[in-house]
Amino acid sequence: ETGVTQSPTHLIKTRGQQVTLRCSSQSGHNTVSWYQQALGQGPQFIFQYYREEENGRGNFPPRFSGLQFPNYSSELNVNALELDDSALYLCASSPGGTYSYEQYFGPGTRLTVT
Amino acid sequence: EDQVTQSPEALRLQEGESSSLNCSYTVSGLRGLFWYRQDPGKGPEFLFTLYSAGEEKEKERLKATLTKKESFLHITAPKPEDSATYLCAVQARGGATNKLIFGTGTLLAVQP
Repeated sequence: ETGVTQSPTHLIKTRGQQVTLRCSSQSGHNTVSWYQQALGQGPQFIFQYYREEENGRGNFPPRFSGLQFPNYSSELNVNALELDDSALYLCASSPGGTYSYEQYFGPGTRLTVT
Repeated sequence: EDQVTQSPEALRLQEGESSSLNCSYTVSGLRGLFWYRQDPGKGPEFLFTLYSAGEEKEKERLKATLTKKESFLHITAPKPEDSATYLCAVQARGGATNKLIFGTGTLLAVQP
């Protein structure tokens, strides 16, 4: 069974640029959530996708957007990057739709904005 | 507002010295409380889910317990490989998502 994978591992971007991060969910999991983890903090919920639809969002501006594909993989897009967007971006997948409980995290993408 | 507070922020133990980490939570209705382990630069690794007060779960040297206001992660006779950040998170009832609300974690260092 393949776990959650994310790409790229590291990324360096300049303020104002746009970035796309990718996630492949664990086999059999149809729900994907994205989290942002700043240094020394716990992960913060960005949004969740279920059956290719966004079905919930945390306190993040619209320049954070996403997609989920028919194979349940997902993308996180961030436009107009700001210095404060520098963080570890985590993808988590879970089985069974929006009311399943355990979420399994990928290794993360470290984004640095200069 | 749903909130999770973990203490202590950091803990240094000698190998074999047992201790407990605390997770206090405020949530409108608890669907589940989760413990994760996170190594530096890596994603959180799932450890336990607890659903109701009085529930306990064990895995090797770790034991998690739950009351109506807090959870404890007990570490018995820790080894250096137990060194990591331990994250606690809650999931609230009623939302459309399975959003997790995390604490800031406890950084555990176990010295040989």
